[in-house]
Amino acid sequence: AQKVTQAQTEISVVEKEDVTLDCVYETRDTTYYLFWYKQPPSGELVFLIRRNSFDEQNEISGRYSWNFQKSTSSFNFTITASQVVDSAVYFCALRLYTGNQFYFGTGTSLTVIP
Amino acid sequence: EAQVTQNPRYLITVTGKKLTVTCSQNMNHEYMSWYRQDPGLGLRQIYYSMNVEVTDKGDVPEGYKVSRKEKRNFPLILESPSPNQTSLYFCASRMGQSYEQYFGPGTRLTVT
Repeated sequence: AQKVTQAQTEISVVEKEDVTLDCVYETRDTTYYLFWYKQPPSGELVFLIRRNSFDEQNEISGRYSWNFQKSTSSFNFTITASQVVDSAVYFCALRLYTGNQFYFGTGTSLTVIP
Repeated sequence: EAQVTQNPRYLITVTGKKLTVTCSQNMNHEYMSWYRQDPGLGLRQIYYSMNVEVTDKGDVPEGYKVSRKEKRNFPLILESPSPNQTSLYFCASRMGQSYEQYFGPGTRLTVT
């Protein structure tokens, strides 16, 4: 069975601080995809990144960076110099390479205080 | 504009009154899914479809039906809604196996 755990339910940081959102996943499959989505207060779900299990390179996109480590089954997301607009719920998700089911974590609610 | 649309966006109904939430995408995507989002539980997949007339159950299919008669549409049907189906529902679509999915704006359903 597949499972995604986001142990941090809520995080608050002061603007300009760095923050890391943790994601730990469980699967016995060796080929899978990992995703991060953002859900701002307006409610829509915004795709941020997809990573496949073959590619353990870290990725940076502006203030966002992702650290994928198969050895610890983690796919953590760091926001550098956080801004108020980063306030949202962030979801990590897993899908097996050959499957169609997505497995979402329970989300981390991030509040950036001005 | 490429998008996934859902209707209605908000719905309050009573127990047992059949309802349909529509989902439509204009991106010619093969795959479509329905999710429900509940506090503390994240998003859970209800049903998904790999193409026209091909559907399968997700994690929480009880009490729901779907159909995929056209590639662009994937309606979610609640034949006899119950209060435990009060939730925020999202439709999503994606092009193929290795692609990310795009979500609709959500439908907030309340069953009294």
